Amino acid sequence: DAGVTQSPTHLIKTRGQQVTLRCSPKSGHDTVSWYQQALGQGPQFIFQYYEEEERQRGNFPDRFSGHQFPNYSSELNVNALLLGDSALYLCASSLPQSNEQYFGPGTRLTVT
Amino acid sequence: GEDVEQSLFLSVREGDSSVINCTYTDSSSTYLYWYKQEPGAGLQLLTYIFSNMDMKQDQRLTVLLNKKDKHLSLRIADTQTGDSAIYFCAESPQENFNKFYFGSGTKLNVKP
Repeated sequence: DAGVTQSPTHLIKTRGQQVTLRCSPKSGHDTVSWYQQALGQGPQFIFQYYEEEERQRGNFPDRFSGHQFPNYSSELNVNALLLGDSALYLCASSLPQSNEQYFGPGTRLTVT
Repeated sequence: GEDVEQSLFLSVREGDSSVINCTYTDSSSTYLYWYKQEPGAGLQLLTYIFSNMDMKQDQRLTVLLNKKDKHLSLRIADTQTGDSAIYFCAESPQENFNKFYFGSGTKLNVKP
């Protein structure tokens, strides 16, 4: 049973560029949440997708957007990258009526 | 949003018990979680408790909840070097259980 997978593992981008991160949920899960984890901090909730729609959103600017596909996989897009966007981006999946979230290994984004 | 606070570091000797503490502010019914993060990895769900419970035990792990003080603890019995990691406390309110609020993590160092 495959767990949550994310790609790429690492990414280096330049300030002002755009980036797309990808997530495949755990088998059987149809809800995907994205978190940003800055160095030395706990994860911060970005948004959650269910049935291909953004269901909830945390305190992140519109530069952060996402998408969910019919196979439940998801993308996180960040436009106009800032140095402060450097972080580990974590994807978590769950069943819609379950409080248990399972996390992927994350994508380490470095903005220079 | 909800605040979740944790102490930053804990150092114990192999074989001793570890107790990691967390406080939270949400006054409503809430789920409370403990996650483990090893270097370069995502978050692993260890256990969780609902706020109407006082205690939950799962093998070497014991979660204690003091609802009056909004204090949560994770006790690891017979701590091993493989338990060295960062432990995150998180909460999600019952009415919005897919949105998690994380503490900054406690780094557990187990000395042989």
